[in-house]
Amino acid sequence: DIQMTQSPSSLSASVGDRVTITCRASQNIGSYLNWYQQKAGKAPKLLIYAASTLQSGVPSRFSGSGSGTDFTLTISSLQPEDFATYSCQQSHTTPNVSFGGGTKVQIK
Amino acid sequence: EVQLVESGGGLVQPGGSLRLSCAASGFTFSTYSMTWVRQAPGKGLEWVSYITRSSSTISYTDSVKGRFTIFRDNAKNSLYLQMNSLRVEDTAVYYCARFTAIFGVGSVFDYWGPGALVTVSS
Repeated sequence: DIQMTQSPSSLSASVGDRVTITCRASQNIGSYLNWYQQKAGKAPKLLIYAASTLQSGVPSRFSGSGSGTDFTLTISSLQPEDFATYSCQQSHTTPNVSFGGGTKVQIK
Repeated sequence: EVQLVESGGGLVQPGGSLRLSCAASGFTFSTYSMTWVRQAPGKGLEWVSYITRSSSTISYTDSVKGRFTIFRDNAKNSLYLQMNSLRVEDTAVYYCARFTAIFGVGSVFDYWGPGALVTVSS
């Protein structure tokens, strides 16, 4: 099984900050990496797929990069509506996918 | 507008059974594979089960094999998860999600329902 490890597990940031979240896979997954945003009490929402492709309607302040085992989600200028939990997911072994533990972005 | 709505959650004793339903609308349900994902309180997301559009391929995470059954009724635009022999550790919010394969780049869960809470407790 492929294990996905995110860091940090939580962070505090201010509106306007640049935020970076890291996701590491236990083995090479190429670019089969997706990112989801989940607000409290809500369902996850797809943000980025194939490591760097923005889902339709997602603001351009979100970006993804990486391949192989190391990936990054960046929010270039944090907005109030971006405070949420972000999770990575590998689809290399689809449909038996696995998720990272999540990174909670909180208000500083 | 794509919509997925789960129902059937609730409180059940260990060893009991529950059936979740997911009503789909806004897209041609019969042309998409579907999946169930769960999230235990305060924990991360965990993939549970998958079913292809014709039900020809089904898979489960190891911890639910032999206890959970996924099935669908394309005529009713509905997805189901029959959960038997429930354990305390099955307590979670259960989401149904649409599975979309993207050629050459893998797959995504591009639409999710709001979730149904299943609590297993005595």
